[in-house]
Amino acid sequence: DAGVIQSPRHEVTEMGQEVTLRCKPISGHDYLFWYRQTMMRGLELLIYFNNNVPIDDSGMPEDRFSAKMPNASFSTLKIQPSEPRDSAVYFCASTPGASGSDSTDTQYFGPGTRLTVL
Amino acid sequence: SQQGEEDPQALSIQEGENATMNCSYKTSINNLQWYRQNSGRGLVHLILIRSNEREKHSGRLRVTLDTSKKSSSLLITASRAADTASYFCATDAGNNNDMRFGAGTRLTVKP
Repeated sequence: DAGVIQSPRHEVTEMGQEVTLRCKPISGHDYLFWYRQTMMRGLELLIYFNNNVPIDDSGMPEDRFSAKMPNASFSTLKIQPSEPRDSAVYFCASTPGASGSDSTDTQYFGPGTRLTVL
Repeated sequence: SQQGEEDPQALSIQEGENATMNCSYKTSINNLQWYRQNSGRGLVHLILIRSNEREKHSGRLRVTLDTSKKSSSLLITASRAADTASYFCATDAGNNNDMRFGAGTRLTVKP
């Protein structure tokens, strides 16, 4: 398996523009997570899905952020409008889910998308 | 919100020395995990220890867990320059699939 795939790897945009980040989880994984990482705040969980359904979006900073998972192999995180303080590395991770073995709790991270909002 | 807190924030050692990083957390957990992140890369899972385990080994890694003190330690023995990375602990917030990460320890191993 290719692992978790994220695109784009780097995104530079201007304040006010819409930004869409994409993630393809590992095939067969039931859970998908979106994280944001900054020097100031570390790694923050934004939202996670189970079987394409959003379970906890309490980490989404504000209404400008939205996430969807239309099917088991694709998720998007959208920021509209973007602001300079949204600059961060955004990670997507997936995990197999509850099947009773140690590996079910292991999160597999994508390489991240480095977002810069000017 | 963050659950785990790593200590120290940064650690610099010579190749061959052992590196010990600590993690403290606040609420009851089902398991605790350690991850490594190389600069500019995603996190990579290292080891998982369950709440009913006290110690676990994986190669040069040794993890301990003290649930009474709500703390864990990661020991890397005979460190190598390639071990240079940030190390994070992550705990489940009562849900095995909802992990919260600490701020990380930045380890530098000098050749």
